[in-house]
Amino acid sequence: DQQVKQNSPSLSVQEGRISILNCDYTNSMFDYFLWYKKYPAEGPTFLISISSIKDKNEDGRFTVFLNKSAKHLSLHIVPSQPGDSAVYFCAARDFYNQGGKLIFGQGTELSVKP
Amino acid sequence: KAGVTQTPRYLIKTRGQQVTLSCSPISGHRSVSWYQQTPGQGLQFLFEYFSETQRNKGNFPGRFSGRQFSNSRSEMNVSTLELGDSALYLCASSLDNFGQRRHGYTFGSGTRLTVV
Repeated sequence: DQQVKQNSPSLSVQEGRISILNCDYTNSMFDYFLWYKKYPAEGPTFLISISSIKDKNEDGRFTVFLNKSAKHLSLHIVPSQPGDSAVYFCAARDFYNQGGKLIFGQGTELSVKP
Repeated sequence: KAGVTQTPRYLIKTRGQQVTLSCSPISGHRSVSWYQQTPGQGLQFLFEYFSETQRNKGNFPGRFSGRQFSNSRSEMNVSTLELGDSALYLCASSLDNFGQRRHGYTFGSGTRLTVV
């Protein structure tokens, strides 16, 4: 039972353009969503988060959108830079039922080409 | 400000042995969680500790155990190692019960365990 899904295993984007990474979920009790960036053999690095009571959160080049009715969130990176090339994971939390446990999607590998 | 420190970084063990991994959270953080990352299963939650109490446990066999000390440092132990336990083990810390909302859960660099 995969509660968080990232259906695109990979994405390739030209430098300077927008990268859009998508994530779908099934558990309506998720109260908090996070995006992480990860390089091989390193731990995930936190990028941005959004509470379930919001529909948008921005931090510099990163914006996360949440559509609760569709159970969908997306991460926009504008403009994309070669240094953004990494694997991106979305994660969700159901604090009321599961405490601080994060449930991760399978990840999307982003490649930003110069 | 020091980040989350995990030791050792790399470990090779033989089937049947046991192993202990260590995690030192960011100073002041009281919540520590452990995750296993494998190519096939992605990032899977192992357990979470808050103020020395296990608050939640993932779907792993009883061979996987952990604990948290009064200084918030945490250890996880895997007994009777199997080949399938080979993975990157990640520790994450957060400030409080609700996660540090602005910065999320901060992960360490992980311990790469290889079972031969």
